[in-house]
Amino acid sequence: AQTVTQSQPEMSVQEAETVTLSCTYDTSENNYYLFWYKQPPSRQMILVIRQEAYKQQNATENRFSVNFQKAAKSFSLKISDSQLGDTAMYFCASPHGAGGTSYGKLTFGQGTILTVHP
Amino acid sequence: DSGVTQTPKHLITATGQRVTLRCSPRSGDLSVYWYQQSLDQGLQFLIQYYNGEERAKGNILERFSAQQFPDLHSELNLSSLELGDSALYFCASSVTQAWNSPLHFGNGTRLTVT
Repeated sequence: AQTVTQSQPEMSVQEAETVTLSCTYDTSENNYYLFWYKQPPSRQMILVIRQEAYKQQNATENRFSVNFQKAAKSFSLKISDSQLGDTAMYFCASPHGAGGTSYGKLTFGQGTILTVHP
Repeated sequence: DSGVTQTPKHLITATGQRVTLRCSPRSGDLSVYWYQQSLDQGLQFLIQYYNGEERAKGNILERFSAQQFPDLHSELNLSSLELGDSALYFCASSVTQAWNSPLHFGNGTRLTVT
């Protein structure tokens, strides 16, 4: 079974500071994307950032960046200059399935609740 | 706005009843996924359709079924409802079913079974 582990159930950070959310995963896919999704209190699932496993360069989207370590199967999310609007639950997701049969479906971690304090 | 539309937003029903959740994918997306989000199980993949055909099944109960219609909208049918079926049900869509096609989620349907 594919597993995604987020070891931090809750995190908090002061506004304007930096926070890192951890994620480890297990997949038998050869090439794949990894994703971070954000779920604010409105409960909508919003794609934050994605990383292609074959790219060595870590993905960056404005204040969001990842630290991807393929050998360790680690995929952490760094949020710089945290804003109050970043308060949400964050989910790490990896492909679900084996041997190219994932067909795009994802396995999600249990989530990390991030609270940004003013 | 992701472009994925789910109706209804909220649904309250009694045990033993049957409900239908509806999803309209983003324009141009051929693949539809259903996920269940509950407090104890997190986000669980239920089922996937691609261009009208079932492609993959996850932890979907036999009491649940789904289909994707020729206009690509999808419906998730939940029957003989139990208290434990109370959850947030998400629909997501993607352009293809390939590994590099990100999922775009709707706002979910909150189901409460009393």
